[in-house]
Amino acid sequence: DSGVTQTPKHLITATGQRVTLRCSPRSGDLSVYWYQQSLDQGLQFLIQYYNGEERAKGNILERFSAQQFPDLHSELNLSSLELGDSALYFCASSVAEPQETQYFGPGTRLLVL
Amino acid sequence: QQQVKQSPQSLIVQKGGISIINCAYENTAFDYFPWYQQFPGKGPALLIAIRPDVSEKKEGRFTISFNKSAKQFSLHIMDSQPGDSATYFCAASSTSGTYKYIFGTGTRLKVLA
Repeated sequence: DSGVTQTPKHLITATGQRVTLRCSPRSGDLSVYWYQQSLDQGLQFLIQYYNGEERAKGNILERFSAQQFPDLHSELNLSSLELGDSALYFCASSVAEPQETQYFGPGTRLLVL
Repeated sequence: QQQVKQSPQSLIVQKGGISIINCAYENTAFDYFPWYQQFPGKGPALLIAIRPDVSEKKEGRFTISFNKSAKQFSLHIMDSQPGDSATYFCAASSTSGTYKYIFGTGTRLKVLA
């Protein structure tokens, strides 16, 4: 167990809908990272937050947004969902930035029908 | 310049054999090279990591070999076991300046009993 929690574990929704994925980092970790892993694909970095502030953006679509709250948990909002958004979404956390080791949560499996 | 190229995409090894996975990078600013192991339905977990000031790091059956001049690094799994069957991701990170943490596309390893 990495100490990173993600909810929900599974999510099934329809195209055009909006969903929110939640992540709680390890105790003491200030940085949160979001990744998308599509079927048979590698990990695509989406966005990073550090102590409430956005630090880096990767391949995140404009339909997606995220935030990190004062208690350091983070939420990833996915809107106007498309079939191609079906994927595993992982949250990772690290102590600070720049930091080498990222600890990954168990992921949220999103299925868009 | 931000890519990390990983090969092979899949690998089948007999029990007791040596599994070798290779990665190559382009950005000389990368200064930390971790390997992650991911089992089905789980998040990636850090396996072993190396910095460019050493050419090899060994932890149990797992060894990273690093060739700074060639900008290549590899993971060797000695005495491979069926329990090692998983997907392995290499990554390259820059621990200074703006965030860079690039993952390879993954290698699916199957160790036959």
